[in-house]
Amino acid sequence: AQSVTQLDSQVPVFEEAPVELRCNYSSSVSVYLFWYVQYPNQGLQLLLKYLSGSTLVKGINGFEAEFNKSQTSFHLRKPSVHISDTAEYFCVNSGGSNYKLTFGKGTLLTVNP
Amino acid sequence: NAGVTQTPKFQVLKTGQSMTLQCAQDMNHNSMYWYRQDPGMGLRLIYYSASEGTTDKGEVPNGYNVSRLNKREFSLRLESAAPSQTSVYFCASRTGNTNNSPLHFGNGTRLTVT
Repeated sequence: AQSVTQLDSQVPVFEEAPVELRCNYSSSVSVYLFWYVQYPNQGLQLLLKYLSGSTLVKGINGFEAEFNKSQTSFHLRKPSVHISDTAEYFCVNSGGSNYKLTFGKGTLLTVNP
Repeated sequence: NAGVTQTPKFQVLKTGQSMTLQCAQDMNHNSMYWYRQDPGMGLRLIYYSASEGTTDKGEVPNGYNVSRLNKREFSLRLESAAPSQTSVYFCASRTGNTNNSPLHFGNGTRLTVT
């Protein structure tokens, strides 16, 4: 069965600091990886996706992620965070059975002034 | 462009009451999903519909039923609500033709069962 592990449940950082949210996935024949962001009291919004090709993927709001096949990782990064980046972030693998997706348990990013 | 619309936004039920959560998408997507979100548990799949006319169980289907009314609409029914069903429910959709299409989410229904 597919699995997605988000290594940190909470990440507190100060404004303008860099941040990395870590995600490891279980290997599969095909791997399609997504990062979603959930702001308080809202639904999930797509940040970025890796389907194939370049291993460095750029998304919205200045986020990027790097696909590393040898380490089965897909870590999310931002060089300088803002207060408005405070949210929960989910790593998702869609490479399993045709219609089901595997979600990580989420990482709560809190940006402090 | 509304995307995925869920109603109601909030609901309070007493144990044993029934209700239906509505979901509609206007993106002509084939696949639709119902998830529940609980603190520390991430999102768990309740039911999904790969295409119009089909539905299948997910990880946590007990206590729920679904109906794929047409291509646009996918409803979730609680026949006899229990406090364990207190949660935030999300509907999502995607094109469904391949695994590489992302999910589009609604804004959720916050359900409390007392």
